[in-house]
Amino acid sequence: DTGVSQDPRHKITKRGQNVTFRCDPISEHNRLYWYRQTLGQGPEFLTYFQNEAQLEKSRLLSDRFSAERPKGSFSTLEIQRTEQGDSAMYLCASSAGTSSGNTIYFGEGSWLTVV
Amino acid sequence: KNQVEQSPQSLIILEGKNCTLQCNYTVSPFSNLRWYKQDTGRGPVSLTIMTFSENTKSNGRYTATLDADTKQSSLHITASQLSDSASYICVVSAMSTGNTPLVFGKGTRLSVIA
Repeated sequence: DTGVSQDPRHKITKRGQNVTFRCDPISEHNRLYWYRQTLGQGPEFLTYFQNEAQLEKSRLLSDRFSAERPKGSFSTLEIQRTEQGDSAMYLCASSAGTSSGNTIYFGEGSWLTVV
Repeated sequence: KNQVEQSPQSLIILEGKNCTLQCNYTVSPFSNLRWYKQDTGRGPVSLTIMTFSENTKSNGRYTATLDADTKQSSLHITASQLSDSASYICVVSAMSTGNTPLVFGKGTRLSVIA
């Protein structure tokens, strides 16, 4: 399967713990996006990368959240000192080129439950 | 404020019937509009992408329309199948020199029953 891959698919953690999600985009896709989605809502933008550069961050991305894409390939999203409100599905997506009209391919998401 | 509103919130139809989902947006300046299908617990899958110059685009039994003047789009599903049960999300992108984040609607939850 050469689609967007996310790991882990599910994570249950205690409040206050740190968690990290990994995303492997489609090969040679230079754009990578992170979204958060809660039940009954559409995905909310968190941040995106053009190669290794983080070009935009949402106000939703508090200082407890950090995303990296060190070599312009895979990306990680870390949440520090998790809170119950962080429980959601974290979606990664990728696209090729710089045109906003390119198809954006989503991964299957990483479900986070904070207890 | 850039917003995307979808209606209805949820819909139940009989297998084999047609249905139409609506999307209204206020995103400006408009670049393109996308429809995604999202099965429960899965990531969204792209159905169509339309620019302002495209009025209609089909993908199998799915036909999307766009009226850039009224800022409305619809997704028509023909001869529905049980596997069409999913959330359908309208996503609008604004024109910019970069890649402005996509603005997502909350989706329409479609249930197709036998």
